[in-house]
Amino acid sequence: AQSVTQPDIHITVSEGASLELRCNYSYGATPYLFWYVQSPGQGLQLLLKYFSGDTLVQGIKGFEAEFKRSQSSFNLRKPSVHWSDAAEYFCAVGSDNTNAGKSTFGDGTTLTVKP
Amino acid sequence: NAGVMQNPRHLVRRRGQEARLRCSPMKGHSHVYWYRQLPEEGLKFMVYLQKENIIDESGMPKERFSAEFPKEGPSILRIQQVVRGDSAAYFCASSPKRTENYGYTFGSGTRLTVV
Repeated sequence: AQSVTQPDIHITVSEGASLELRCNYSYGATPYLFWYVQSPGQGLQLLLKYFSGDTLVQGIKGFEAEFKRSQSSFNLRKPSVHWSDAAEYFCAVGSDNTNAGKSTFGDGTTLTVKP
Repeated sequence: NAGVMQNPRHLVRRRGQEARLRCSPMKGHSHVYWYRQLPEEGLKFMVYLQKENIIDESGMPKERFSAEFPKEGPSILRIQQVVRGDSAAYFCASSPKRTENYGYTFGSGTRLTVV
């Protein structure tokens, strides 16, 4: 069975500082990995995805993530955080069932940005 | 190109009533997923549907909950005899094909409050 762990429930960074959000996954084969962002009262927006190939993937809003198979990790990074990045971030792994399309989500990391 | 449309945005029901949540996927998307988000928690998979078929309902409670995605019209998540514990945000997502290749496009959710 697939699972996702986001070890940090809440992270606070200063505006302009760098950011790294951690994600560890458990999966039986080659994983399909995603990061989503959720603003208060809104649905989730896809930031980036990894299926295969280059292990460093670029997403929207200046985010990137690196897939490390040896560490079962897919951490999200941004070199310089903006106040508008304050939101909740979810890591997800795609299904390992060839007949199902569901994703399993982590419990999320809430990002607060200090001025 | 309209995104995933969910309605209503907010729904208040008394205990014992029925709740009907609607989801219209993005144009061209034939796969629909329902997730539930309890306060302070991540998203939990409920059901995966294609037109006229339930593909995976492993996350659906055994009683009171049902889902459909008819040939014509939106997908419907139906909760009969609601209880306080059903209060949550219910998100619908769609994709053109299985998740692995595309990720989800989410709606803005329906926030159900049971009083």
